[in-house]
This record gives sequence, structure tokens and C-alpha cells, in this order.
Amino acid sequence: EAQVTQNPRYLITVTGKKLTVTCSQNMNHEYMSWYRQDPGLGLRQIYYSMNVEVTDKGDVPEGYKVSRKEKRNFPLILESPSPNQTSLYFCASSFTGTGYGYTFGSGTRLTVV
Amino acid sequence: DQQVKQNSPSLSVQEGRISILNCDYTNSMFDYFLWYKKYPAEGPTFLISISSIKDKNEDGRFTVFLNKSAKHLSLHIVPSQPGDSAVYFCAASVTDSWGKLQFGAGTQVVVTP
Repeated sequence: EAQVTQNPRYLITVTGKKLTVTCSQNMNHEYMSWYRQDPGLGLRQIYYSMNVEVTDKGDVPEGYKVSRKEKRNFPLILESPSPNQTSLYFCASSFTGTGYGYTFGSGTRLTVV
Repeated sequence: DQQVKQNSPSLSVQEGRISILNCDYTNSMFDYFLWYKKYPAEGPTFLISISSIKDKNEDGRFTVFLNKSAKHLSLHIVPSQPGDSAVYFCAASVTDSWGKLQFGAGTQVVVTP
């Protein structure tokens, strides 16, 4: 089954403790992206990647890092999480970069206390 | 500064009637527009898209209209069904900015029997 898999689905952590949210896709898509969803703000793009070793900042990259060492994986790293990073995170992948046919993961609910 | 705006956070419509969702954008460089649908505890799923060279695109019960001069697009759902109850996100991209996709804040649609 074609899918984007995120782990974990839920995570509660403390301020300053480094964490990684993993994302993997099995569709051989070139484009991958991370979004966060917050009430009243919709989905805001954090980082995106056009291919292996090619990444770029989205609209809200501060406090996040990403890497794309393999085509299928695109982990999101929070080196020193803060409470304002409490959010619902989505990973997505696409064959094209225009957003057509973007496949989203089921989301990761992160709470930073 | 959000460049894609959905000013109606919610919409209630009777089953069988038309749902009209609106979206405005400020960036005149956007040339590809999409609508996504999201159920609770799931990732968004692609619904329908339109290129700026068109003013209308239809797919079954869903039609998207684009008015470039007004920087406005709308999604019509006819007839509305209870399964259409979800959050709908408008999104936009620029063709030569591969991977960068911006979303609006979303509109919660509730279809009542």
C-alpha cells in the first residue's frame, strides 16, 4: 500500500530534550515536506526537499532541522524543543512539486512541556 | 503573513444542498491551486486542483472556480453529503518553486441531514 509513515503518532516531551520525528514514504517520490497545523493558522510549511541532499526552508523553519540522506526518509529534528513547538505535525510526499497528489502521513501530535 | 486566506472558519449546510467554500490569495505569482480535505485523526487528502490557465475544473460533485483578477477561488460541492463533513484546506504554489506549497487556515464543513 502506497503510504507515508510517521512515527511516533503521539509524543510528550520536556523543554530542551532533543527529539526526532521520522517520516518514510514507499512511493519513490522525489518531493517531501513537513508541515505543522495550528488552530486558526492552518498548515504551515516547515521544510521541504526536492531530492536527496536538497532541502529548503518553508515559512516557519526556526527551531527545526531536517535531513534527506535517502530518498524515502525525511526526518524532522527538534534540537531544543520549546512549548511553542507544541503542534500537530504532518509529513507529505509527492511525485511533482506543485502539490498535486501530495500524500500526507497521519500526523504526529507533539506536546512540549 | 499568510498569502492564502480562508476567511470562513466554518460552514453548515443541509444534505443535498450546495456547499461553497471560498479562498483568497495575495501572491500574484501563484499559478497552481488545490483543495485538500481532512478528517479528524487523519492527514489531509488531495481533492481537486486547478491551473491558472483555466477558470474552472470539475470532478464529479466537486468544482473549483478560479478568478485570477480577483485573486479568488472557490470550491463548490453539489450535492453535499454527510460524508463531506470535514475540514477543507485551500493551497497554492508557484510552478517554478517546486515543493513550496502554502495552505490556508481551513474551513470546517458540517453537513446536516
